[in-house]
Amino acid sequence: DAGVIQSPRHEVTEMGQEVTLRCKPISGHDYLFWYRQTMMRGLELLIYFNNNVPIDDSGMPEDRFSAKMPNASFSTLKIQPSEPRDSAVYFCASGTGLFSGNTIYFGEGSWLTVV
Amino acid sequence: GNSVTQMEGPVTLSEEAFLTINCTYTATGYPSLFWYVQYPGEGLQLLLKATKADDKGSNKGFEATYRKETTSFHLEKGSVQVSDSAVYFCALSQDQTGANNLFFGTGTRLTVIP
Repeated sequence: DAGVIQSPRHEVTEMGQEVTLRCKPISGHDYLFWYRQTMMRGLELLIYFNNNVPIDDSGMPEDRFSAKMPNASFSTLKIQPSEPRDSAVYFCASGTGLFSGNTIYFGEGSWLTVV
Repeated sequence: GNSVTQMEGPVTLSEEAFLTINCTYTATGYPSLFWYVQYPGEGLQLLLKATKADDKGSNKGFEATYRKETTSFHLEKGSVQVSDSAVYFCALSQDQTGANNLFFGTGTRLTVIP
């Protein structure tokens, strides 16, 4: 079975440029999560969707960040304009529900460097 | 509220040493508890879980027991290998509607040296 697929795996961009990260969740999963991982702050939940609808975006750092899920098999996380402090690994994860005991499955991450 | 506190790293052990990584939690109800592992350059993957008090999760020689009386879920392995070098995350999940209900600890980096 294909797992959660993220692209690009690595991206280096200049400050001020727009960055779009993509995610394909596991088929049949109705929850999708975007996380950010940095050395300083560890793993942070940015936003999650249920059945393509954003449920909690309280972790999105600021208006420069936006996320969409136009259908059950695709989501994007966009940063515009990007800044050096956005450099991090961004993980997408999906799962079949948030009921106690369910597992979520992570992609391999998108490693973003903003210079 | 819900939160997870885990032992700060990094932890460096020699091969075949005994491993303990402490994890304690705060929760309003009856959560499920997880350990996720992140190998270098990869995403997180589930290592083991326990869904109720006194349950023991186990996988790949790792074990953790859900202790409600001490609100703990410590990860243990009797004899670590170099291939166990990774970052380990304790996590808590609770049945809720609405806001995020999956809470991760800050991670503990383990390095095993030959």
